[in-house]
Amino acid sequence: EDQVTQSPEALRLQEGESSSLNCSYTVSGLRGLFWYRQDPGKGPEFLFTLYSAGEEKEKERLKATLTKKESFLHITAPKPEDSATYLCAVQAFGDMRFGAGTRLTVKP
Amino acid sequence: GAVVSQHPSWVICKSGTSVKIECRSLDFQATTMFWYRQFPKQSLMLMATSNEGSKATYEQGVEKDKFLINHASLTLSTLTVTSAHPEDSSFYICSASPGALWGGYTFGSGTRLTVV
Repeated sequence: EDQVTQSPEALRLQEGESSSLNCSYTVSGLRGLFWYRQDPGKGPEFLFTLYSAGEEKEKERLKATLTKKESFLHITAPKPEDSATYLCAVQAFGDMRFGAGTRLTVKP
Repeated sequence: GAVVSQHPSWVICKSGTSVKIECRSLDFQATTMFWYRQFPKQSLMLMATSNEGSKATYEQGVEKDKFLINHASLTLSTLTVTSAHPEDSSFYICSASPGALWGGYTFGSGTRLTVV
């Protein structure tokens, strides 16, 4: 059965303190791994899609990487506005399966 | 581009009544839309896959007679929670893919349902 595990469950950082979020997955026939940002009471906002091991994508302070077993979302010099829940999802055949998310809090 | 609009954003209803939630793709056509449910501080759980012009595919454990899905056009899918009960209170979110070139799925803003 497809599984997606995110760690840590919650992460508190000081502004400017870089860190990484982890997404470990077990899926047969990975078609894509997705990262989303979700603010409270809102739908997820698309960040990245990664398709194959070794692939990397960047957007402002965020960088996503992918291996055959896990993906990392690196946050460089975060700001308070980066505070949100970051969701990882994998797609095999058809639908997406989500991890439980990492709640990131960035203190000024 | 690639916007999914969901309405209403919140609704309160009495037990036993039905509630309809709409999901529209505003600037693209979506033959497939997905409906998720999210409890507080938990992740999204796929409820069903909505297919334009055909029956929806429900995930195991989701009652298809309780959660009616209609995908009557390429830009609109609706989820009707029938005979709602307090345990149906949750955050419901829909999503769709603008296509392979987009590289991801776009989500609606969600609907907070409270059954009293």
